[in-house]
Amino acid sequence: NAGVTQTPKFRVLKTGQSMTLLCAQDMNHEYMYWYRQDPGMGLRLIHYSVGEGTTAKGEVPDGYNVSRLKKQNFLLGLESAAPSQTSVYFCASCPQRPVIDEQFFGPGTRLTVL
Amino acid sequence: QQQVKQSPQSLIVQKGGISIINCAYENTAFDYFPWYQQFPGKGPALLIAIRPDVSEKKEGRFTISFNKSAKQFSLHIMDSQPGDSATYFCAAPRGDSNYQLIWGAGTKLIIKP
Repeated sequence: NAGVTQTPKFRVLKTGQSMTLLCAQDMNHEYMYWYRQDPGMGLRLIHYSVGEGTTAKGEVPDGYNVSRLKKQNFLLGLESAAPSQTSVYFCASCPQRPVIDEQFFGPGTRLTVL
Repeated sequence: QQQVKQSPQSLIVQKGGISIINCAYENTAFDYFPWYQQFPGKGPALLIAIRPDVSEKKEGRFTISFNKSAKQFSLHIMDSQPGDSATYFCAAPRGDSNYQLIWGAGTKLIIKP
């Protein structure tokens, strides 16, 4: 099992450019999440999905869009990148349980917006 | 807005000493309190978690202590080793969600040889 994988690992964008981050999981998990991690601020939830074809906003959704067309994939899009979106982005997945359970994280994507 | 307050922000401990990190949470519908460990350049990984029908959970050198009345829980690392040097995050369920966590800001732990 590869677990949770993220593509790309690093990216540098210019202000106004767009890009898509891909997350894939091979654990058949229902729930998937996109977080951003900034120094001193922990993990902040951008968007999440509770199943194929569903998405919902997290704490900091502005400037991002997501899609979950297949259960194993969760895409995060930046339509017009801004320097404030410079961050490390983590995808996570979690099995569906009656109560909350372990989230499995990918290795992260380091994004710099110039 | 619901918060999880984690302290200290950074911690330096001598090898063999005890490392203690604290978290305070606000009201949650579910009792599930995990600690995640993150090494540089890697994603966070679950270290230990408690579902507090008990006030303490121990796994090897790692212990979670939980105080429900104070809405606080802490991570204790006994006999701290240089390999424990990492950033540690606590988390708590968000409100009445059974699939979302809200995270502390993290503690950077350095164990001096």
